[in-house]
Amino acid sequence: GENVEQHPSTLSVQEGDSAVIKCTYSDSASNYFPWYKQELGKRPQLIIDIRSNVGEKKDQRIAVTLNKTAKHFSLHITETQPEDSAVYFCAASIRRSPMGGTASKLTFGTGTRLQVTL
Amino acid sequence: KAGVTQTPRYLIKTRGQQVTLSCSPISGHRSVSWYQQTPGQGLQFLFEYFSETQRNKGNFPGRFSGRQFSNSRSEMNVSTLELGDSALYLCASSWRGSDYGYTFGSGTRLTVV
Repeated sequence: GENVEQHPSTLSVQEGDSAVIKCTYSDSASNYFPWYKQELGKRPQLIIDIRSNVGEKKDQRIAVTLNKTAKHFSLHITETQPEDSAVYFCAASIRRSPMGGTASKLTFGTGTRLQVTL
Repeated sequence: KAGVTQTPRYLIKTRGQQVTLSCSPISGHRSVSWYQQTPGQGLQFLFEYFSETQRNKGNFPGRFSGRQFSNSRSEMNVSTLELGDSALYLCASSWRGSDYGYTFGSGTRLTVV
């Protein structure tokens, strides 16, 4: 099955600096790569996603890049702020269509705890 | 519009008991997936339902089961609870499946004593 590895497990940056979180996936059939932010005691929230036919996507201070050949994707946060402090999860989705139906599954990385210090 | 609603928010059960968790997806979403979140194992996939059919299942023992109703609401059941089942159980819904973006509920925190 799909395996998603995420690095680093913890990341501390100063306010205003950039943060980069990297993930690799194993199954070349994966076609959708979302990133979730989970603040302490709260539910994971989708912050950005990218599909396999796109190499890069930006949304204000966050961006995601995808390298299908190398099977890795990264989250970039610029001009970090204290409210960016949270655990970030990458994920990869496979959507297969076996005979008689369609199966989808989102496999998550192990998470990166980002701490933005003043 | 209303988000994904999970009930109850907190639950304390004794080893050997069984428990049923409920999830109401966003209106119009037909795909519901369940995840177990623990500090050591992260987010582990339990199963996915679409139009009342289980489409995919993770690597959990048969004690973990679920179902989906015609209104897309889903329930998850865990029988013969073990201490290791203590976790946050998250439900997520999507229009069609995992590659259309999931919205998560706030979860049910299950503690087995």
